[in-house]
Amino acid sequence: GENVEQHPSTLSVQEGDSAVIKCTYSDSASNYFPWYKQELGKRPQLIIDIRSNVGEKKDQRIAVTLNKTAKHFSLHITETQPEDSAVYFCAGGGGATNKLIFGTGTLLAVQP
Amino acid sequence: ETGVTQSPTHLIKTRGQQVTLRCSSQSGHNTVSWYQQALGQGPQFIFQYYREEENGRGNFPPRFSGLQFPNYSSELNVNALELDDSALYLCASSPLAGGSQETQYFGPGTRLLVL
Repeated sequence: GENVEQHPSTLSVQEGDSAVIKCTYSDSASNYFPWYKQELGKRPQLIIDIRSNVGEKKDQRIAVTLNKTAKHFSLHITETQPEDSAVYFCAGGGGATNKLIFGTGTLLAVQP
Repeated sequence: ETGVTQSPTHLIKTRGQQVTLRCSSQSGHNTVSWYQQALGQGPQFIFQYYREEENGRGNFPPRFSGLQFPNYSSELNVNALELDDSALYLCASSPLAGGSQETQYFGPGTRLLVL
């Protein structure tokens, strides 16, 4: 069935370092891959997304790469700051229903 | 913050009861999706409503049902509540355009506790 795996489950970095979170998906029909940031007790907020016709997308300190052949995509955060600390979820979507299959999340802790 | 709102924010029920959760979509969005997020896990897709009809369903039993109204707001109903139904229930709205993937914007969620 449809599945999205996410690694690592926890990630601790020093302020200013880079952080990388990786996801793999199983459904070949998936063509949309958003990343959400969720702070404790709050709603998931979209931080960046990528569609299957693009291999890489960047927005300031955040970038996402997609390898459709290998069915994996990654989130890269550079120059991390303490306010980047949160749980990050990757997701895969595709087809007429617009539903998203989420990964299990990565708890990112940025140490000042 | 998105324009998606949900009510109530918190709810406590007992096993066997029924609950109705509400969601108002962002202006201009005609699609509402519902997700269940258990503690420490990612959101799980329950179902989606587009133009007042169910447009896809996840692996949830029939006691999870929904509605969408002409103004695109939506309700999630859960009958015969079980302890495992305790979770954060999120709705997300998006402009469904010809079946292509559109960004989903989440509401703040309703935290349901079943005792």
